[in-house]
Amino acid sequence: SQTIHQWPATLVQPVGSPLSLECTVEGTSNPNLYWYRQAAGRGLQLLFYSVGIGQISSEVPQNLSASRPQDRQFILSSKKLLLSDSGFYLCAWSVGTSVDEQFFGPGTRLTVL
Amino acid sequence: AQKVTQAQTEISVVEKEDVTLDCVYETRDTTYYLFWYKQPPSGELVFLIRRNSFDEQNEISGRYSWNFQKSTSSFNFTITASQVVDSAVYFCALRGIQGAQKLVFGQGTRLTINP
Repeated sequence: SQTIHQWPATLVQPVGSPLSLECTVEGTSNPNLYWYRQAAGRGLQLLFYSVGIGQISSEVPQNLSASRPQDRQFILSSKKLLLSDSGFYLCAWSVGTSVDEQFFGPGTRLTVL
Repeated sequence: AQKVTQAQTEISVVEKEDVTLDCVYETRDTTYYLFWYKQPPSGELVFLIRRNSFDEQNEISGRYSWNFQKSTSSFNFTITASQVVDSAVYFCALRGIQGAQKLVFGQGTRLTINP
């Protein structure tokens, strides 16, 4: 069966510090991968998605970036965090060649102080 | 552009009551997919159902049922005989046929079931 992992689970960082959140998927090959952000009390906003290694599409211009160094690894990064980057970050995957649903990881709660 | 509206921000009912969560969508695609997800307090989104635009049959899964009506662009979710464990934030989402399966989410409805 497929599983999706995210770490860390929680993170508190000062403004201006770098960020690296990691997501890995097990049990499937060539998945589509996604990063979402959920601000407090709000819906989910798609940040990035990837259909293959090294292929990243950005949905929202911001100081975040994403990379996919391996087939089942998706990383969200920032060189300098802003207060507005606080939120709940969710990684998701879906089967690459079908129209199936997305499956979400446990999330990372980021607080920027 | 695609859009999903969940007008009910918060709903609170007493256990065993039936409750309906509304979802209205907008899309120009003729083929599209609708989804419901549950987000319990732990934060992880749990997939509940997917519905294709060409299949308007309603669906029932235990205490859960979904009413899809293309004429009103709605995909409502009903919980029958609600239980405390149903307390969560519920999201409706839409995806068109194009573009890597990007989901457009509504703002979510926070459902609280009181004992």
